[in-house]
Amino acid sequence: ETGVTQTPRHLVMGMTNKKSLKCEQHLGHNAMYWYKQSAKKPLELMFVYSLEERVENNSVPSRFSPECPNSSHLFLHLHTLQPEDSALYLCASSHVTGLEAFFGQGTRLTVV
Amino acid sequence: GQQLNQSPQSMFIQEGEDVSMNCTSSSIFNTWLWYKQDPGEGPVLLIALYKAGELTSNGRLTAQFGTTRKDSFLNISASIPSDVGIYFCAGQYKGGSEKLVFGKGTKLTVNP
Repeated sequence: ETGVTQTPRHLVMGMTNKKSLKCEQHLGHNAMYWYKQSAKKPLELMFVYSLEERVENNSVPSRFSPECPNSSHLFLHLHTLQPEDSALYLCASSHVTGLEAFFGQGTRLTVV
Repeated sequence: GQQLNQSPQSMFIQEGEDVSMNCTSSSIFNTWLWYKQDPGEGPVLLIALYKAGELTSNGRLTAQFGTTRKDSFLNISASIPSDVGIYFCAGQYKGGSEKLVFGKGTKLTVNP
């Protein structure tokens, strides 16, 4: 059983669709993160949750809406996305915020 | 925001050669981490460093936390084809809240 599991692995959606990305961690960590990885750019931190409370929102557009129902699960709800939102979306968790983060395999999102 | 300068951007080497890459910053860092990312996968943590001057090994990989606390190095000895991938440095800088900053990555290609 992998430590951080993301589903789906691949997603193609239209600009008017609504979809959700799911992340689950089995490591007993208290912090969870969403990152965006685009070609030729550093990893961009989107959201940080610590003990199920959002502690950081890195100026992310409102068309991305995170949800953390408990310390093991994290969602990213997507609606009315733009083609430039196409990227690899990575979930990560850590025991304490800012320390060693363990990543999931990512969801490759394509917006058409 | 704070940025990490990671170099080189890419490397093409022959199997068996040693590899060295580094990250520098204008700020003092409390933590340095090194990750490897294979195509289509999430980054995997290789080595974590927490003290200035610390030298840590993981198999053929060795990483060091620079004594100035503004840089870190990763060395790979006797490279093999499966070392191919993108290597990222990451760190938490002093006064930088509770999040990791990532470098842009070093893409390593190993020719058999």
